[in-house]
Amino acid sequence: KAGVTQTPRYLIKTRGQQVTLSCSPISGHRSVSWYQQTPGQGLQFLFEYFSETQRNKGNFPGRFSGRQFSNSRSEMNVSTLELGDSALYLCASSLAGQINEQFFGPGTRLTVL
Amino acid sequence: AQRVTQPEKLLSVFKGAPVELKCNYSYSGSPELFWYVQYSRQRLQLLLRHISRESIKGFTADLNKGETSFHLKKPFAQEEDSAMYYCALRERGGATNKLIFGTGTLLAVQP
Repeated sequence: KAGVTQTPRYLIKTRGQQVTLSCSPISGHRSVSWYQQTPGQGLQFLFEYFSETQRNKGNFPGRFSGRQFSNSRSEMNVSTLELGDSALYLCASSLAGQINEQFFGPGTRLTVL
Repeated sequence: AQRVTQPEKLLSVFKGAPVELKCNYSYSGSPELFWYVQYSRQRLQLLLRHISRESIKGFTADLNKGETSFHLKKPFAQEEDSAMYYCALRERGGATNKLIFGTGTLLAVQP
């Protein structure tokens, strides 16, 4: 069965622009979580979606937003990009309950110039 | 505050030597603890979780609530164990999959 896919894999943007990242979960998975990974801060939770509803949100500014579609695919958007937004953005999916393992995607490497 | 601490950024051992990757946590509720591993050029993947109480690839980890620790151990390291290891926690029984990660420890197993 296909794993979690993320597009694009690499992205270069300039300060002030906005960006949209996409995550396709494993078929049947309804929970999608997003994480930001940086050398300085490590892996930090951004938000989680379940059945098109945001179930939890991390401590990130409002420039970071997301959504989930009826087919469980998820997108995250970052507006007014800053240099500090340069990071690897990881998506993870799982079946509904906590008992189920989360599977991570390969990530999208965002570079802000 | 909820926090996971991995004090070592790098742990270098020789093949066949015992390995212990340290993880301490601070959490007010009832946590569930995990170890994730990322091999070179591969995705982050679950290694083991404390509620399963199983050994994966020879690794074990025991939750010590008194010391708030969840150290990862393996009696004899192999070169293929070289990877980045992350300790993480999640609220147990909650309605969320949110994980709080430590900063990771790079394990380098020398031949």
